[in-house]
Amino acid sequence: GQQLNQSPQSMFIQEGEDVSMNCTSSSIFNTWLWYKQDPGEGPVLLIALYKAGELTSNGRLTAQFGITRKDSFLNISASIPSDVGIYFCAGQIQGAQKLVFGQGTRLTINP
Amino acid sequence: NAGVTQTPKFQVLKTGQSMTLQCAQDMNHEYMSWYRQDPGMGLRLIHYSVGAGITDQGEVPNGYNVSRSTTEDFPLRLLSAAPSQTSVYFCASRPGGTDTQYFGPGTRLTVL
Repeated sequence: GQQLNQSPQSMFIQEGEDVSMNCTSSSIFNTWLWYKQDPGEGPVLLIALYKAGELTSNGRLTAQFGITRKDSFLNISASIPSDVGIYFCAGQIQGAQKLVFGQGTRLTINP
Repeated sequence: NAGVTQTPKFQVLKTGQSMTLQCAQDMNHEYMSWYRQDPGMGLRLIHYSVGAGITDQGEVPNGYNVSRSTTEDFPLRLLSAAPSQTSVYFCASRPGGTDTQYFGPGTRLTVL
């Protein structure tokens, strides 16, 4: 089935560092979404992107919808301990009703 | 407004047993979906529904059945549980015309 390639799979950083992760696909996407999952919880939507080239921020988080519509990235600036978790990208393929999810990026922060 | 609720939170089954995972939403959302989450695999779509009475298969539907008799409820049935179905199951819903999907807290299922 359709897959998104999300990288990196895991990150180990120091508190205060900036973080960058991305997702790529072989298909064109209408929508890119970024979710965060805390341990034992369901994913929570962080940012939604609807237009190629769109750059959207949510506090210390910034995400961009790639110009080719086949990729997206998420940046987290000045990381803090509560940023720990798994981050997922998700996208809706043009003409489809289903969302496709990346494999996730597990973020660990050393204080 | 409770959002998306799932029961049970934890379940242990023996191989061959059947059970139903419950999912309900009180937001009048048209779309509901079931995902399973396995380590290193992200979230994989099992079944989804675009409205009451309408369901369709996702990426990994084998071994699971669903029905959508009401807008609010979308139960997932395991007819004969197998160890390969050990996973964390998430139900999600979203309004029609948007991509903002809301997830339930998950059901952790172990099949022995």
